[in-house]
Amino acid sequence: KQEVTQIPAALSVPEGENLVLNCSFTDSAIYNLQWFRQDPGKGLTSLLLIQSSQREQTSGRLNASLDKSSGRSTLYIAASQPGDSATYLCAAYNNNDMRFGAGTRLTVKP
Amino acid sequence: NAGVMQNPRHLVRRRGQEARLRCSPMKGHSHVYWYRQLPEEGLKFMVYLQKENIIDESGMPKERFSAEFPKEGPSILRIQQVVRGDSAAYFCASSPTTTGGNYGYTFGSGTRLTVV
Repeated sequence: KQEVTQIPAALSVPEGENLVLNCSFTDSAIYNLQWFRQDPGKGLTSLLLIQSSQREQTSGRLNASLDKSSGRSTLYIAASQPGDSATYLCAAYNNNDMRFGAGTRLTVKP
Repeated sequence: NAGVMQNPRHLVRRRGQEARLRCSPMKGHSHVYWYRQLPEEGLKFMVYLQKENIIDESGMPKERFSAEFPKEGPSILRIQQVVRGDSAAYFCASSPTTTGGNYGYTFGSGTRLTVV
């Protein structure tokens, strides 16, 4: 059964800093891995989707990598801004089943 | 495309009442997934449905909870005789293919259930 872990649970950084969020998963037989953003009291916004055959995806200041063999994915945020403050969730997709990590709560201080 | 629509956004029920949560998937999506998020916790899978079929309900509590996705109309998550521990945010996601394919999942804004 897939288990997804995210480290750290919370992170506070000053504005402008580059940062990395980590996600690990126990079952490497995934179809894809998806990163989401969740603002307090809101739904999930998809940020990046990495197919199992891909190694990374980029969107603006965000870059997500995937290493299936080691069961890891990272989300890199460049030049962080206060508007990036949110909880970031990763989810690994196996057969008919998407499992979520508990998230990393990011605070970017002005 | 209106995306995944969930209603109501907020629902308050007294203990013992029934709660009905609705989810309309994105146009062209025939696969629906329900997740529950307890305060300060991650999302937990509940059930996966296709039109008129429950594919996987391994995350659904055995009692009081049921889900359906009829041929016409939205998917419904039904909680009978609600208790305080059912208070949570319930999210619905949809996808166009069985594997989430090239598109991943699209989530609705959720229904926040409060049991008083």
